[in-house]
Amino acid sequence: GQQLNQSPQSMFIQEGEDVSMNCTSSSIFNTWLWYKQDPGEGPVLLIALYKAGELTSNGRLTAQFGITRKDSFLNISASIPSDVGIYFCAGPPYETSYDKVIFGPGTSLSVIP
Amino acid sequence: DTEVTQTPKHLVMGMTNKKSLKCEQHMGHRAMYWYKQKAKKPPELMFVYSYEKLSINESVPSRFSPECPNSSLLNLHLHALQPEDSALYLCASSQRGGQGGTNEQFFGPGTRLTVL
Repeated sequence: GQQLNQSPQSMFIQEGEDVSMNCTSSSIFNTWLWYKQDPGEGPVLLIALYKAGELTSNGRLTAQFGITRKDSFLNISASIPSDVGIYFCAGPPYETSYDKVIFGPGTSLSVIP
Repeated sequence: DTEVTQTPKHLVMGMTNKKSLKCEQHMGHRAMYWYKQKAKKPPELMFVYSYEKLSINESVPSRFSPECPNSSLLNLHLHALQPEDSALYLCASSQRGGQGGTNEQFFGPGTRLTVL
């Protein structure tokens, strides 16, 4: 079945550093969604991407929809302690129902003050 | 109102109990979802309701029974669960994707279910 891969699996960074993480798939996606989840809470939508090549920002976060439509990237600039959490990429594979969103395994981010 | 609410926040039940999880949204979204999330794993899709009709069932065991009484409410009825069903159950909603809406899903805080 369809599968998303995220790298790195986890990262430990100093406060103030920039962060880059990515998401790849063997399938084409029409939409890429990036979520952040804090422990015991539901995922919160950070950025949604709808077009190949699209670059979208939300404050210190920037995400890009890869031109092959099989990958996406999320960057966080000048990290702060509240950026700690698990970051998931998600989306509906092209060949499935538009409502059938699958999630990557996540990237766990730790920020050292 | 841009919030998805879920009740209860925590639930402990025995394997012979019947309980229900509730989810509500007032964003006018026409698609609602149930996900199951085990510790340190991503959410896994269980059910999708589109315009109050069940559109996707990801081969979920019949001891989980979803219900969508109206466009704002989504229930998950639980009966004869197993300890391995213990997890965080997440509800989400979105505009109807693929028909002029988007499938940006907004999640509730979840119900932490423990089956003894």
